[in-house]
Amino acid sequence: EVQLVESGGGLVQPGGSLRLSCAASGFTFSLYEFSWVRQAPGKGLEWLSHIKYCGSDIYYADSVKGRFTISRDNARNSVYLQMSSLRAEDSAIYYCARTQDSAYDYWGRGTLVTVSS
Amino acid sequence: EIVLTQSPATLSLSPGERATLSCRASQSVSIYLAWYQQKPGQAPRLLISDASNRATGIPARFSGGGSGTDFTLTISSLEPEDFAVYHCQQRYRWPLTFGGGTVVDIK
Repeated sequence: EVQLVESGGGLVQPGGSLRLSCAASGFTFSLYEFSWVRQAPGKGLEWLSHIKYCGSDIYYADSVKGRFTISRDNARNSVYLQMSSLRAEDSAIYYCARTQDSAYDYWGRGTLVTVSS
Repeated sequence: EIVLTQSPATLSLSPGERATLSCRASQSVSIYLAWYQQKPGQAPRLLISDASNRATGIPARFSGGGSGTDFTLTISSLEPEDFAVYHCQQRYRWPLTFGGGTVVDIK
């Protein structure tokens, strides 16, 4: 069974940092690309970042460029999102989603990030 | 950045009725548009990829069409479990973008 499980969310102060993880299982991890997508309370989906198979190609939304870093570890079947200089507007549920040169066919359940003092 | 505009924002219908949702792109995305369904407290679920390809396990009452800048998701006869939020997403050009969503609720 395909599973994506996000972790690492929580309460952090403005200006702080957090590292999200997405643990994958049930499929050949190295054959897939991954994105992080977030959803603020009551709002729509916002694509944040994408990493290709070997991690050589990476893309970011302007809203997080320079503050967030995506990475992957094919040996650990995991994708990460290092977030720094966090702001109140970064508060959201963060989803990990997989794709194979198509749409996102599987999503994790998400991890909640709250940025507040 | 390619902006996706979904309409209407809310669609109030009864079970058994036909639902037609629209997604318009600010520039051509060819056929590289997907549709997702999201229910409260759940992650999005893929319905349609590349404009018209139904994802695995998605009922035939869901269909997608369009190309270029204008796309449609049609639910031929609404079932109770279809009342949800629907999102469109383009993968034609970076940054990838989502539309604002359409809520399909019970009339």
